[in-house]
Order: sequence, then C-alpha cells, then structure tokens
Amino acid sequence: GAVVSQHPSRVICKSGTSVKIECRSLDFQATTMFWYRQFPKQSLMLMATSNEGSKATYEQGVEKDKFLINHASLTLSTLTVTSAHPEDSSFYICSAKPLSTSGISYEQYFGPGTRLTVT
Amino acid sequence: GEDVEQSLFLSVREGDSSVINCTYTDSSSTYLYWYKQEPGAGLQLLTYIFSNMDMKQDQRLTVLLNKKDKHLSLRIADTQTGDSAIYFCAENLGGKLIFGQGTTLQVKP
Repeated sequence: GAVVSQHPSRVICKSGTSVKIECRSLDFQATTMFWYRQFPKQSLMLMATSNEGSKATYEQGVEKDKFLINHASLTLSTLTVTSAHPEDSSFYICSAKPLSTSGISYEQYFGPGTRLTVT
Repeated sequence: GEDVEQSLFLSVREGDSSVINCTYTDSSSTYLYWYKQEPGAGLQLLTYIFSNMDMKQDQRLTVLLNKKDKHLSLRIADTQTGDSAIYFCAENLGGKLIFGQGTTLQVKP
C-alpha cells in the first residue's frame, strides 16, 4: 500500500517550452501533496504544498507563475514548469500525505521522481 | 531555526553495524524520520519516531532520539550491500518535512 507514482519518469525538453509532471497516489487519498526539487548530491528542497481544491502554498523564493501546481482531485497533483530554461533542469519529487480520519497524519509517501533536462 | 545536519559520508564493511547521525535545531518537531534514497529513485520511508520516544527498533533498524541534545541516530545492524544508498533524516515542522543533506552509506563486501 501507500504507492505514489510520477509521470513521466524522465523528460527532455527544449528551452522555452512547458512541461507537466503528474503525481498520483495509487491506493490512498491525499488531501495534501508536496513538490520538491533535488539537485545532484543535495538534499530535497520543498517548493510548494498542494492542497486539494485550493491554491498551492509556495515556499519563499519559488516563482508561482513559473511552477504551476494544480491539485484537482484527492489522488492527483500536477506541476507544470512553464517556459523552462536549462537552470530548471533538476530531479522533481512529489510526496503525498494520506487522508486520515483521526486528523493525524505523520507519514508522507514519495514518488519515484521525474528527471527534467532542459536543453 | 530550521536546520537539519548530517555527516555526508559513511563507509562500513558488510556485516558491520552502521550508525548515521543527525542533529536538528527546532525543539517543536513532532516526528522525526529516516528516509532511504537509491540512485535515481525517490525516497523510501524507513522509519520514524515520535518526539516523546527515546528509542524505536524495527528489525535491523534502531532509532535513538536525544531530545535534550536534539540528536537523532539510525543504526543498521548487519549492514548489507543492498543498504548502500543515501539516508536522509527529516523533521516534521507544522506538517512540512525539513531534510538534512543526506548521508551516503557505502558498504564494502
């Protein structure tokens, strides 16, 4: 249980184009999903928190117009990198927090990541 | 402040125990986690500990928490070559996970 998938796993795009990455919780519902980016040999940096049915909350320094997040359902969140540039090349990882009836949810389950390369 | 620190590299021989250390600075953390990341993959939750616990054991994994010193450790008993990966500790602050830099564990046969 608690599987999170990401699609695509790897994408190469040209500078100036937009890329959409999907994050799905396969066997549980998630009101909250998180998007991270990870540079080589570095830690994960939280980009934004995505809540189903509402606007995402972005971390300081993350451009919300460049990284569009949509959380349309309890099992799907998408991240669109608009007008991508080579400096946006990175490993993007999502995570999902299960909906808990007790109101307490201490676990996050991570997707396998999407490797974005902008040429 | 939000700052989680780990040593960057640890090398052990197969069969030995591995101990990965982590320090955090925010005493209001509710849960602390250990994640494993293999090359090119996402993060796998290994274990977690609630802030009012001192120790948690799960098969080969033992987590020790010293709240006074804000120190967290992960011990892997009988380390195997399949344990080679990057290990991240993380603290939960208001629902957000703050990660350390990751410790690369190298297991030599």
